Amino acid sequence: NAGVTQTPKFRILKIGQSMTLQCTQDMNHNYMYWYRQDPGMGLKLIYYSVGAGITDKGEVPNGYNVSRSTTEDFPLRLELAAPSQTSVYFCASSSVGYGYTFGSGTRLTVV
Amino acid sequence: KNQVEQSPQSLIILEGKNCTLQCNYTVSPFSNLRWYKQDTGRGPVSLTIMTFSENTKSNGRYTATLDADTKQSSLHITASQLSDSASYICVVSRWMDSSYKLIFGSGTRLLVRP
Repeated sequence: NAGVTQTPKFRILKIGQSMTLQCTQDMNHNYMYWYRQDPGMGLKLIYYSVGAGITDKGEVPNGYNVSRSTTEDFPLRLELAAPSQTSVYFCASSSVGYGYTFGSGTRLTVV
Repeated sequence: KNQVEQSPQSLIILEGKNCTLQCNYTVSPFSNLRWYKQDTGRGPVSLTIMTFSENTKSNGRYTATLDADTKQSSLHITASQLSDSASYICVVSRWMDSSYKLIFGSGTRLLVRP
């Protein structure tokens, strides 16, 4: 099983550019999440989804958007990249919100 | 405020030695407590999950304890190996808005030296 797959693994963006971080899971999990991890800090929840068509904001949603058109995919969109969005982004999925499986992360640098 | 504090921030031990990592939390309402291992450049991987009624749970050489009264948890690693070098993250879960919300500690970075 592939589990949770994130692409790309690394990306450098210029200020003001846009990009989409992709996340796909093959475990038929209803719940999916996007977190960011800044150096020396705990993971912070950006957005989450409890099922296809349903999304909600987490702790730090500003500057991001998500969509959940299928159970498998949960892309994260950055519309106008800012240096403060330099971070490592993790996608995760779970069933009934209990056992989480994390992707391997996307390291994003905004310059 | 819902917080998870871990100590120490970093730790260096010799291969074969034991170590204990600490986690204190103020999260309420408490649902469960998890310990994750995060290798450099990878996502967190679950080691243990404990509910309110569980005092201890083991996963191989990893043993987690939970004292829900004092809101403290520890992760004990026995006979450390080089592959144990990683960050260990304590995560407390609370149920709200029809899903679990995870509160992450900032982790303890462990380095095991030969």
